[in-house]
Amino acid sequence: QVQLVESGGGVVQPGGSLRLSCAASGFTFSSYGMHWVRQAPGKGLEWVAFIRYDGSNKYYADSVKGRFTISRDNSKNTLYLQMNSLRAEDTAVYYCARLSWGHGAFDIWGQGTMVTVSS
Amino acid sequence: AIQLTQSPSSLSASVGDRVTITCRASQGISSALAWYQQKPGKAPKLLIYDASSLESGVPSRFSGSGSGTDFTLTISSLQPEDFATYYCQQFNSYPRTFGPGTKVDIK
Repeated sequence: QVQLVESGGGVVQPGGSLRLSCAASGFTFSSYGMHWVRQAPGKGLEWVAFIRYDGSNKYYADSVKGRFTISRDNSKNTLYLQMNSLRAEDTAVYYCARLSWGHGAFDIWGQGTMVTVSS
Repeated sequence: AIQLTQSPSSLSASVGDRVTITCRASQGISSALAWYQQKPGKAPKLLIYDASSLESGVPSRFSGSGSGTDFTLTISSLQPEDFATYYCQQFNSYPRTFGPGTKVDIK
């Protein structure tokens, strides 16, 4: 079945780095744009980054620009989020989500991975 | 960035009630709006896209309307499994933005 599975979350100190992965299965990963969305504890959803199906275009939220890098390996059906210079306010559940092929909404979501930035 | 506001921020309703949630965009976004449902500890689920199109598999008691800056999500007859938080999201431009959410709980 169509599935996204995130991994790589954990506890990291302020200023540290972490790389999240999102493994896709059940669909042609290389045909779809992909997003990262996060949710701080008890808060709403915040869009983080987008990458085009072929990796040619990337967009970032101002809050992470210059610190986070989205990338993908279509041969491995995997999406990544490299997070550097982490701050306490980056603490959140991070979801990967698929951009629907026919419209702009996010039609498939992973279960999320928790990132905690704390000393 | 386009800002989205939702009202109400929370509501209490009974099973069988008709529920309406509104979403307002800070500038016109045509019909580039989606609605998601999120239950505690779970990922969001797409309900409506293009402001009024029902995602496959979503019950027909959910409907969406609107265009430009004002949008509405309606649940025609609230069911026990509908108690959740609902978010609107615009995909007219980057950065993508979400509304703050509307929590629907049991009266």
